[in-house]
Amino acid sequence: AQKVTQAQTEISVVEKEDVTLDCVYETRDTTYYLFWYKQPPSGELVFLIRRNSFDEQNEISGRYSWNFQKSTSSFNFTITASQVVDSAVYFCALSEAQDDKIIFGKGTRLHILP
Amino acid sequence: SQTIHQWPATLVQPVGSPLSLECTVEGTSNPNLYWYRQAAGRGLQLLFYSIGIGQISSEVPQNLSASRPQDRQFILSSKKLLLSDSGFYLCAWSVATLVGGYTFGSGTRLTVV
Repeated sequence: AQKVTQAQTEISVVEKEDVTLDCVYETRDTTYYLFWYKQPPSGELVFLIRRNSFDEQNEISGRYSWNFQKSTSSFNFTITASQVVDSAVYFCALSEAQDDKIIFGKGTRLHILP
Repeated sequence: SQTIHQWPATLVQPVGSPLSLECTVEGTSNPNLYWYRQAAGRGLQLLFYSIGIGQISSEVPQNLSASRPQDRQFILSSKKLLLSDSGFYLCAWSVATLVGGYTFGSGTRLTVV
């Protein structure tokens, strides 16, 4: 069965600090997809990234970067030089290749303090 | 471009009353459609999903039901609401291969009193 664990329920950092959000997943499939979503205070979920299981290359998008390691079943998300606007709940998610749905972790609430 | 509409944004309903939440997608055909619920302090729980008209998959037994009367319309219903049905309900759509993940609606905050 598929499962996504975000052990950090809540994190607070001071603006401009770097912060890493952890995500550990479980799946029996060899082909799967991993996602990160951002949920700002408005409530709407915003898609950030999709990564397939065959691509372990780390990705960087501006201040955001993702570290995918199959050996540890982790897909961690790092925000560099955090800003107050980064304050949100962040969800890691997993979908198995033959599936039509995405399973989400419980989310990490990130507070960026000015 | 594709857009997803979900309404109402906020709803307060008494226990035992019926519920109907509607979600529509524009600008795409044959989308996969999903209903998620986010209870206070908890993650996103998949309630229902549909890969075609009239085809509904239920993920958890509950007091709710879903229907897809048209290709781009997805409705979440209940005949009698319970207090435990309170939460933030999100509709989402995707293409079949989940490329790009989901696109979510703006959500409905339901409070059952």
